[in-house]
Amino acid sequence: ETGVTQTPRHLVMGMTNKKSLKCEQHLGHNAMYWYKQSAKKPLELMFVYNFKEQTENNSVPSRFSPECPNSSHLFLHLHTLQPEDSALYLCASSPWSSGGEETQYFGPGTRLLVL
Amino acid sequence: GESVGLHLPTLSVQEGDNSIINCAYSNSASDYFIWYKQESGKGPQFIIDIRSNMDKRQGQRVTVLLNKTVKHLSLQIAATQPGDSAVYFCAEIPPNTGNQFYFGTGTSLTVIP
Repeated sequence: ETGVTQTPRHLVMGMTNKKSLKCEQHLGHNAMYWYKQSAKKPLELMFVYNFKEQTENNSVPSRFSPECPNSSHLFLHLHTLQPEDSALYLCASSPWSSGGEETQYFGPGTRLLVL
Repeated sequence: GESVGLHLPTLSVQEGDNSIINCAYSNSASDYFIWYKQESGKGPQFIIDIRSNMDKRQGQRVTVLLNKTVKHLSLQIAATQPGDSAVYFCAEIPPNTGNQFYFGTGTSLTVIP
């Protein structure tokens, strides 16, 4: 166990549904991340939060909406997704230092299928 | 953006042999590198890291080598075991990018019993 949990582990949703992914870290970290992992592609960084503030949004469509109520919890709200959004969504956390370059620890991911 | 590439997408080794997984990175300014292991159905798991002021770092059965001249990173696994079968990713982290990691597509390692 890495100290980062994600729920649900699997999710099937229609294109008109609204769902949320949850991530929780028990490592005392201050930074949290959302990644998308598609087959045969590198991990794609979606969002970065430091001390609950969003510091990075890598041109992610607005149908993905992150929320970080505190340094331990991160959500990804999903609305009107497309089939190409089907992927493994990974959450990670890390300590935060002004210079960056801290190891990121990943959760097990949520396997999302959009029908 | 950054690109991190792996020389071989798949690698098969006999149990007990040593494995070497290679990675080419693109940013000569990158000063932190990490190897991750991802087993089927799981998230990436930290294996070992190295900073640019080092050429070699050893862990338990794993060694990472960094050649900054040719921007090359390798992961060596000694006495490979069936439990080592997984996809291995390298990540490069340039400085002053807000801890942004740039990952390769991964190498799939299969250990033959």
